[in-house]
Amino acid sequence: GAGVSQSPSNKVTEKGKDVELRCDPISGHTALYWYRQSLGQGLEFLIYFQGNSAPDKSGLPSDRFSAERTGGSVSTLTIQRTQQEDSAVYLCASSLGLAGGRGYQETQYFGPGTRLLVL
Amino acid sequence: RKEVEQDPGPFNVPEGATVAFNCTYSNSASQSFFWYRQDCRKEPKLLMSVYSSGNEDGRFTAQLNRASQYISLLIRDSKLSDSATYLCVVSNYGGSQGNLIFGKGTKLSVKP
Repeated sequence: GAGVSQSPSNKVTEKGKDVELRCDPISGHTALYWYRQSLGQGLEFLIYFQGNSAPDKSGLPSDRFSAERTGGSVSTLTIQRTQQEDSAVYLCASSLGLAGGRGYQETQYFGPGTRLLVL
Repeated sequence: RKEVEQDPGPFNVPEGATVAFNCTYSNSASQSFFWYRQDCRKEPKLLMSVYSSGNEDGRFTAQLNRASQYISLLIRDSKLSDSATYLCVVSNYGGSQGNLIFGKGTKLSVKP
């Protein structure tokens, strides 16, 4: 079946411009995550959506970053007034969602990422 | 203390070698543990879950020590195709940052 897809695969932009990154999760997955990975670094959590609950935005690095998830499916990560330090790979992942609140965590399936370069 | 700590490596080993990676975590309430694999310029993919009793999948063995908050991954008979970065992943039950915390990864390079 189809996995997580992301678009665009690569994005080059000029400092100060806004960018939008899109994520299509696996059908039926209620949980969606955005991460950022800078060159040679680990995954940095950005934001997490679970069903209709308020998103966990605790990882967003500044108010220039925002994300929404429409209809419980597709998500868009927006970066306003991009800076050079925003250059990274932005990864989206989805999972079935928390299983009954027992703390059991399902596998996260990642998309191929969007490589963002801010000049 | 970082939430999930791993030796970054790199581990450079010859084909056929046995190699072990270790990982420690700080949240004693964590209940789920995983090893993910990330190839160069690719997305992370699940390698295996880690169960309390320890589990094996072919050449790969994962073990969990809750008392020491320690997870390990053993790879036997290393193949060239095992070259990748191995990410230790721990659930963040009761915390923020979504529900999984990723370590920075341990890089493995298997040489002919």
